[in-house]
Amino acid sequence: DADVTQTPRNRITKTGKRIMLECSQTKGHDRMYWYRQDPGLGLRLIYYSFDVKDINKGEISDGYSVSRQAQAKFSLSLESAIPNQTALYFCATSEWTSGANVLTFGAGSRLTVL
Amino acid sequence: DQQVKQNSPSLSVQEGRISILNCDYTNSMFDYFLWYKKYPAEGPTFLISISSIKDKNEDGRFTVFLNKSAKHLSLHIVPSQPGDSAVYFCAAMTSGTYKYIFGTGTRLKVLA
Repeated sequence: DADVTQTPRNRITKTGKRIMLECSQTKGHDRMYWYRQDPGLGLRLIYYSFDVKDINKGEISDGYSVSRQAQAKFSLSLESAIPNQTALYFCATSEWTSGANVLTFGAGSRLTVL
Repeated sequence: DQQVKQNSPSLSVQEGRISILNCDYTNSMFDYFLWYKKYPAEGPTFLISISSIKDKNEDGRFTVFLNKSAKHLSLHIVPSQPGDSAVYFCAAMTSGTYKYIFGTGTRLKVLA
């Protein structure tokens, strides 16, 4: 099993619908992150959490919300999806190793908003 | 404002030769830097890191160089292999923040 699991892997939805992307990890890490990837824009940070009670906005949090249900689970919600939220979304955890705070990513969730 | 920049969207290199991927940053508070590799339909995977107290870090075929005065880092892959064909991202962090800012990525193609 993967260390960081994202569901669903692919989702097509319509404008205005609520959508939730889920992330779970088996690494026991406290720090978890949500990034989105767009062509030509790289990876941009949406939200991050250092523990269940510590949630922080990233670079592009507008239109998104998150919930840290447990140390192992961090979900991303789009309350009312819009087409420019069509992107590839990645969840990640981090730990201090190799002399740095290293991120471990899930395989990604591809979201299409029509 | 793009704090971490990878100005070359793509790079092609012959197998066996050196690949050099570049990354520039603007925030002088960044003191940790990572390189990630990403294959299609997979998440990014960690390659190598460097902190600002060093100017070089090596791991097998991968070497990262940091020039703090120029706010520039580079990833050298020697020798390049076809399996190295992927998108490479650099990322930068300020210690204590535990959040990374990523560059836009460079697509490397290693030609057999």
